[in-house]
Amino acid sequence: AQTVTQSQPEMSVQEAETVTLSCTYDTSESDYYLFWYKQPPSRQMILVIRQEAYKQQNATENRFSVNFQKAAKSFSLKISDSQLGDAAMYFCAYRSASGNQFYFGTGTSLTVIP
Amino acid sequence: KAGVTQTPRYLIKTRGQQVTLSCSPISGHRSVSWYQQTPGQGLQFLFEYFSETQRNKGNFPGRFSGRQFSNSRSEMNVSTLELGDSALYLCASKLLSKMNTEAFFGQGTRLTVV
Repeated sequence: AQTVTQSQPEMSVQEAETVTLSCTYDTSESDYYLFWYKQPPSRQMILVIRQEAYKQQNATENRFSVNFQKAAKSFSLKISDSQLGDAAMYFCAYRSASGNQFYFGTGTSLTVIP
Repeated sequence: KAGVTQTPRYLIKTRGQQVTLSCSPISGHRSVSWYQQTPGQGLQFLFEYFSETQRNKGNFPGRFSGRQFSNSRSEMNVSTLELGDSALYLCASKLLSKMNTEAFFGQGTRLTVV
């Protein structure tokens, strides 16, 4: 079974600084997708960024970028120029290319300090 | 375009009762998945429905069931409620196509069992 591990239960960052959230996963599949979702206090899970495993280039979405290391099964999220609105729980998630079930990590609670 | 709508937002039930939660996916989305989120277990997959058929089921007891209607709306039912069923229940909808990878989540239903 696929597992996703987030080893940082809590992280904090100064406003305008950069922070990196870690995620590792375990799978025997070669074709899959990786995601970072953000869950603010409103509870709605919002997609931050996604990465297709077959793509070597790291995904980037404005201030959010990932460092995808397929061989190491590592998928970290970098948030640049952190803003107060970035404060939330962040979940790393895995989905097989052949299925629709997501496997989530336990989440990292990010605090942004003004 | 309306997002994923879950009703009700909050629910308080007594042990032994049953409960039905509703999820209306984004228009055109045919896949609906349900997840249970608790502080201890994180996000766990319950089941997925597509075209009124259950395609996949997580490791939950038979007290947890669901169904999907012809308009893609889905309901999940929990019978004989236990205190441990207290959780946030999230629904996610997806446009089922090979090129589409993103799932959209609702705001969830917070179930409290007393």
